[in-house]
Amino acid sequence: GAGVSQTPSNKVTEKGKYVELRCDPISGHTALYWYRQSLGQGPEFLIYFQGTGAADDSGLPNDRFFAVRPEGSVSTLKIQRTERGDSAVYLCASSPHGGGEQYFGPGTRLTVT
Amino acid sequence: AQTVTQSQPEMSVQEAETVTLSCTYDTSESDYYLFWYKQPPSRQMILVIRQEAYKQQNATENRFSVNFQKAAKSFSLKISDSQLGDAAMYFCAYRSANDYKLSFGAGTTVTVRA
Repeated sequence: GAGVSQTPSNKVTEKGKYVELRCDPISGHTALYWYRQSLGQGPEFLIYFQGTGAADDSGLPNDRFFAVRPEGSVSTLKIQRTERGDSAVYLCASSPHGGGEQYFGPGTRLTVT
Repeated sequence: AQTVTQSQPEMSVQEAETVTLSCTYDTSESDYYLFWYKQPPSRQMILVIRQEAYKQQNATENRFSVNFQKAAKSFSLKISDSQLGDAAMYFCAYRSANDYKLSFGAGTTVTVRA
């Protein structure tokens, strides 16, 4: 079946602009995760959804970052007033349930100029 | 907070030979899971192997095996009979049994020489 998909694959934006990154999890997976991977580093946890609710958003770096999952499937990561330091690959993963094996998408590479 | 350390930024191996990647972690918990993920240039993270901390037996998946030393908090990955397709970035990751998020190391780039 289809894996986790993320759109767009690449996004270039200017400093100060607003961006939205989309994640389509594997069908039926109730848990969804966002991670951020800076150049040369391992992914860092941002937020975890169980169903429609954010069960753990402790990794969001500040209030410019927000994520939603209104119907318990597709999720959108929203970044306001982007800064050059936000440039990174944003990875999404889903699992059948919380604590299950996480299946990752190909990520969105965000570049803030 | 848990930290995962991979001390080898890069490793090179001849095709058909064996390479071992190192990983250490810091935790005060007794129940947790450890993982090795592969990330090729396509960026998609692929699970290579998983180890439950309560299991003494080291996990094995085909050419991939781990050496899990719980007391030493060490979790190394051995790739046997290396193939060109094994070339990628490899990440060690930790997850508490009481949590859902993964904590990753900085990664090791593996190159395979033909």
